[in-house]
Amino acid sequence: QQQVKQSPQSLIVQKGGISIINCAYENTAFDYFPWYQQFPGKGPALLIAIRPDVSEKKEGRFTISFNKSAKQFSLHIMDSQPGDSATYFCAAIPTQTSGSRLTFGEGTQLTVNP
Amino acid sequence: SAVISQKPSRDICQRGTSLTIQCQVDSQVTMMFWYRQQPGQSLTLIATANQGSEATYESGFVIDKFPISRPNLTFSTLTVSNMSPEDSSIYLCSVEDPGGYEQYFGPGTRLTVT
Repeated sequence: QQQVKQSPQSLIVQKGGISIINCAYENTAFDYFPWYQQFPGKGPALLIAIRPDVSEKKEGRFTISFNKSAKQFSLHIMDSQPGDSATYFCAAIPTQTSGSRLTFGEGTQLTVNP
Repeated sequence: SAVISQKPSRDICQRGTSLTIQCQVDSQVTMMFWYRQQPGQSLTLIATANQGSEATYESGFVIDKFPISRPNLTFSTLTVSNMSPEDSSIYLCSVEDPGGYEQYFGPGTRLTVT
């Protein structure tokens, strides 16, 4: 019940296209959903996060869509650029549960071709 | 966001030896975490290190193998003891923002055990 399922495992998109990465969860206590971006040789960087009281959050070219009833959330990268090529991790945490920790998805390796 | 540094950035060690990884944060934080990330894989939490208390280890990780120190609110160390090639991985330090649930990662230490 603590798992977060992420898909696809890898994704190739042309420059200017839309990249979409999906995550699904089972634990209804999860109430904070961050996305991380990781470049080779670097630590994960917090990209954007959402709480379930909103269905969408946008920051620049990055948008999180959240479907509480389906227990799914997704990251959309608009106008994808070669510089977006990285590994993306979704995560979730039940913030109201004492001692809880982030649960990470398996990761998606995104390649944006020029 | 917190700025986190780790030392060393990478190391090659011989089987049976130990390596201590340092994590320094530019601000005082209560919650610090140590993760392991094997090549091409997601992040696995090793332990949570709170200042003034013993570290809390996740299932599959033990203090004898991964002793942790947390002497103050800006610093922590993780030791990988009696190393074997299976310990070859990236080790990441992370901190939780005191004002929220955002979690920030250091650049990682890439360990190779021969």
